[in-house]
Amino acid sequence: DTGVSQDPRHKITKRGQNVTFRCDPISEHNRLYWYRQTLGQGPEFLTYFQNEAQLEKSRLLSDRFSAERPKGSFSTLEIQRTEQGDSAMYLCASSLDPGGSSPLHFGNGTRLTVT
Amino acid sequence: GQNIDQPTEMTATEGAIVQINCTYQTSGFNGLFWYQQHAGEAPTFLSYNVLDGLEEKGRFSSFLSRSKGYSYLLLKELQMKDSASYLCAAIRKGGSYIPTFGRGTSLIVHP
Repeated sequence: DTGVSQDPRHKITKRGQNVTFRCDPISEHNRLYWYRQTLGQGPEFLTYFQNEAQLEKSRLLSDRFSAERPKGSFSTLEIQRTEQGDSAMYLCASSLDPGGSSPLHFGNGTRLTVT
Repeated sequence: GQNIDQPTEMTATEGAIVQINCTYQTSGFNGLFWYQQHAGEAPTFLSYNVLDGLEEKGRFSSFLSRSKGYSYLLLKELQMKDSASYLCAAIRKGGSYIPTFGRGTSLIVHP
């Protein structure tokens, strides 16, 4: 079990640029989640995949955000035309059990700073 | 909808016991997670409660009362390394079982 890995760990970009983050979940996990966390707050749900299907998206996920999980393995989260308000830690998590009792395993996150 | 409330910050002394409370209002409640998060690190799983009662795991225990929409995390024999944020997350039944997190309780353990 190598855990959930995210790349890059840090990203600094200028307002208006596009950024893409990658998440590699635990290999046998079929559920993959993206959350966003700002200082002093808990993680906020963005979107969720079961295998390659994106089954739910938060209202937080504006049309500038898009996520994919093309083969049901790794996932990417793209933010287009970044804004300063997008600065946050982007966390990916994966889990196994569809019944809700399996804990989420989080990666170390990608910290985005938009200048 | 879901509403989760927990205190923003708590302080305690090394060796003591501390209880971190979490109240939730979740339609179709299906269980509650507790996570620990050290500064700059990922949240790590501590416990899961779906039935009423106390779940004990070493120095950490978690309690759930479904009728009261209430949970707590109990930390015994506090150590300095327990200084962290503690997140409770409620799971809504049906659909995707997506956990919704509270804002976290920052616990400061001092000597």
